[in-house]
Amino acid sequence: DQQVKQNSPSLSVQEGRISILNCDYTNSMFDYFLWYKKYPAEGPTFLISISSIKDKNEDGRFTVFLNKSAKHLSLHIVPSQPGDSAVYFCAASDGVTDKLIFGTGTRLQVFP
Amino acid sequence: GAGVSQSPSNKVTEKGKDVELRCDPISGHTALYWYRQRLGQGLEFLIYFQGNSAPDKSGLPSDRFSAERTGESVSTLTIQRTQQEDSAVYLCASSPLRPGLAGGGDELFFGEGSRLTVL
Repeated sequence: DQQVKQNSPSLSVQEGRISILNCDYTNSMFDYFLWYKKYPAEGPTFLISISSIKDKNEDGRFTVFLNKSAKHLSLHIVPSQPGDSAVYFCAASDGVTDKLIFGTGTRLQVFP
Repeated sequence: GAGVSQSPSNKVTEKGKDVELRCDPISGHTALYWYRQRLGQGLEFLIYFQGNSAPDKSGLPSDRFSAERTGESVSTLTIQRTQQEDSAVYLCASSPLRPGLAGGGDELFFGEGSRLTVL
């Protein structure tokens, strides 16, 4: 039972354009959402988060949007840079179990 | 060190052998997680420790898997009688707070992982 789903395994975007990574969840108890970035042979690193009381959180080139009614969140990267090429995981937690549930990841490739 | 440290970084073992993986969390972090990532798969939750509370073991795939943590320090993940399907990168992460608490800085800090290959 995959509670956090990233249906696009890969995405290719030209440098300077917008990258949009999507994530869907099924558990309505989730109230905190995070995005992590992972380079090969490294552990994931935190990128940006959003609480369920908000619908948008922005940090520089990265913006996360949350649509609670649709149980959907997205990460926008603009402008995309070649250094953004990595695997992006979305994750969610609820206030009861505390554990973070991760999606399967989307591999983003930004080409010149 | 400043980050989460995991050892060994690589382990090759024969089917049926036991392995032990170690995680040194960031000092002061009360929460510690183990995840694994099999080839081509996402991050699979295994176990979660929070302070002195009973660990959440709901992600352990079988009784061959166990983990311990003493207080808020080192954790070891033990896999007994390893099978080929146990081959994966085992990732440890620590956090100063429970995810979702206000403050914004309560994300997980991951180690670089221990790559386990079972022949």
